[in-house]
Amino acid sequence: DAGVIQSPRHEVTEMGQEVTLRCKPISGHNSLFWYRQTMMRGLELLIYFNNNVPIDDSGMPEDRFSAKMPNASFSTLKIQPSEPRDSAVYFCASSLRDTRGGGNTIYFGEGSWLTVV
Amino acid sequence: GESVGLHLPTLSVQEGDNSIINCAYSNSASDYFIWYKQESGKGPQFIIDIRSNMDKRQGQRVTVLLNKTVKHLSLQIAATQPGDSAVYFCAENMATGRRALTFGSGTRLQVQP
Repeated sequence: DAGVIQSPRHEVTEMGQEVTLRCKPISGHNSLFWYRQTMMRGLELLIYFNNNVPIDDSGMPEDRFSAKMPNASFSTLKIQPSEPRDSAVYFCASSLRDTRGGGNTIYFGEGSWLTVV
Repeated sequence: GESVGLHLPTLSVQEGDNSIINCAYSNSASDYFIWYKQESGKGPQFIIDIRSNMDKRQGQRVTVLLNKTVKHLSLQIAATQPGDSAVYFCAENMATGRRALTFGSGTRLQVQP
């Protein structure tokens, strides 16, 4: 079975450019998460969606970051304009949150490695 | 002052020995816990989970122990192998509510051949 699919796997861009990261969650999952991982701060939640609706975006650093989930099988994380401090690994993850609200295993993609120079 | 990166605690073990990785959590309302393994260049991979109505759960070569009294979680790996070398994260949340998983800072396991 296909896991969470992210693209691009690696991107190097110049400061000021727009960056768009893409994610396809596991089919049938109804929750999608964007995490960022850096050496300084470890693994941080940026935003998560449930049934395509943003539930918690308190981790989004600032207005330069935006995320969308137009349908159940696709999400984007956009950074505009990008800055060197945005360099990190960005992980997308998905889970199946049952209606009883049970604790949910989150399955991660392989990450998008972003370098802003 | 100068910022420093996360200093991951490192556990170094000999191949074949048992490993124990520990994790403390702070939210007493948390009732669902997961251990993840992250190999270099890859995303975190689910290993095993446990709910708060249990204090022990076993998988293949791995055991998770939960002590809710002191808010402590541990991962035991039996007969550690070189392929177990990775960073291990514990994560927690509540079975109800809207909070997503919160991750600990991780422990690096190094297996010496």
